[in-house]
Amino acid sequence: DAKTTQPPSMDCAEGRAANLPCNHSTISGNEYVYWYRQIHSQGPQYIIHGLKNNETNEMASLIITEDRKSSTLILPHATLRDTAVYYCIVRAHNAGNMLTFGGGTRLMVKP
Amino acid sequence: DAGVTQSPTHLIKTRGQHVTLRCSPISGHKSVSWYQQVLGQGPQFIFQYYEKEERGRGNFPDRFSARQFPNYSSELNVNALLLGDSALYLCASSTGTGGEKLFFGSGTQLSVL
Repeated sequence: DAKTTQPPSMDCAEGRAANLPCNHSTISGNEYVYWYRQIHSQGPQYIIHGLKNNETNEMASLIITEDRKSSTLILPHATLRDTAVYYCIVRAHNAGNMLTFGGGTRLMVKP
Repeated sequence: DAGVTQSPTHLIKTRGQHVTLRCSPISGHKSVSWYQQVLGQGPQFIFQYYEKEERGRGNFPDRFSARQFPNYSSELNVNALLLGDSALYLCASSTGTGGEKLFFGSGTQLSVL
């Protein structure tokens, strides 16, 4: 799986949009971009994934650049409960359930 | 519906001992994966089981083994515990092996003294 690079930490004001970037310059054509988050003392939680089109669900939006070398996870109205470590992962659809987690971005949402 | 359940939640062992961790997947899920998370790092893949067969193994020594039962629950066994085995052990379930999203349990915190 391709390697990802994320900033180690970010702050966001409550109620504002949180934009979390991820670089994956070596991504292959059959690899998807997945985002998971891990709230303290819990297991990781799936957020969203995409191949090349932008995606949106009830939790977040995923914007993937046209060259697919980077992406941004957007939490439109961050709340204190969104404070967590966010992991960007690239993974081929036929790679089974092996996810390669990096260090992630620790997002702190502040009042 | 219940999520992924793991037991025990916390465990303290001494070096050289053996440990068994248990995981029950979400009802209807046939695949179980195990991850190790050392403090301050992201989870690291250990094993995947699907339909009772091993479908993937990460870079872990043979002291680590696992199995999946007919009801799709799973056990992770670690022999000859080392201090470095202290970690949060996470279990994840999914419907299959084709890139579906994983659902993680809250983990078992293992401390080796």
